[in-house]
Amino acid sequence: SQQGEEDPQALSIQEGENATMNCSYKTSINNLQWYRQNSGRGLVHLILIRSNEREKHSGRLRVTLDTSKKSSSLLITASRAADTASYFCATGTGGFKTIFGAGTRLFVKA
Amino acid sequence: NAGVTQTPKFQVLKTGQSMTLQCAQDMNHEYMSWYRQDPGMGLRLIHYSVGAGITDQGEVPNGYNVSRSTTEDFPLRLLSAAPSQTSVYFCASRSPTGGGIQYFGAGTRLSVL
Repeated sequence: SQQGEEDPQALSIQEGENATMNCSYKTSINNLQWYRQNSGRGLVHLILIRSNEREKHSGRLRVTLDTSKKSSSLLITASRAADTASYFCATGTGGFKTIFGAGTRLFVKA
Repeated sequence: NAGVTQTPKFQVLKTGQSMTLQCAQDMNHEYMSWYRQDPGMGLRLIHYSVGAGITDQGEVPNGYNVSRSTTEDFPLRLLSAAPSQTSVYFCASRSPTGGGIQYFGAGTRLSVL
């Protein structure tokens, strides 16, 4: 069963707009990560937020975490065509395993 | 560093055939994993290893075997391929002290006819 579920499943925006993707999960976590996957490629780690953090920034990325609602959001500001990819949240629960959601497909139109 | 290298990139098998998907990493990571990715399903863990000589099952281990004789290599064996094993397979590695950040290979796209 999946721990993280992303919303929306797909998102299409114009270049320069902001893109927001949400992730909900079911059990307590130690951390939550976001990964990007370009078409036909492997996943690339973007950002990790720990359970005791509420917000984290990395360049044009902003991640928030609300452990009371068991949810996280990824905001990409000033989107570029090169941001077109699938984005996955992944939860770490303290053991070895990381559980991935089904992903949000983002399409940024030039 | 090459990171995580998977071979082959593409493979077509007939039902019942066996094959080995190769995975090698040059980051001296103790932890390695195999995932399969199917449309709308995210990544599902097949097998994983926390060090040479130590492997364990993930969420969907049936039909697959693994071994870990060295830190660098973690091959995945399909014993008798079935159409249900048509998927994209990813190998990943991470350090036990890296906060859980995983490094992925480019994937192997497998079709079983």
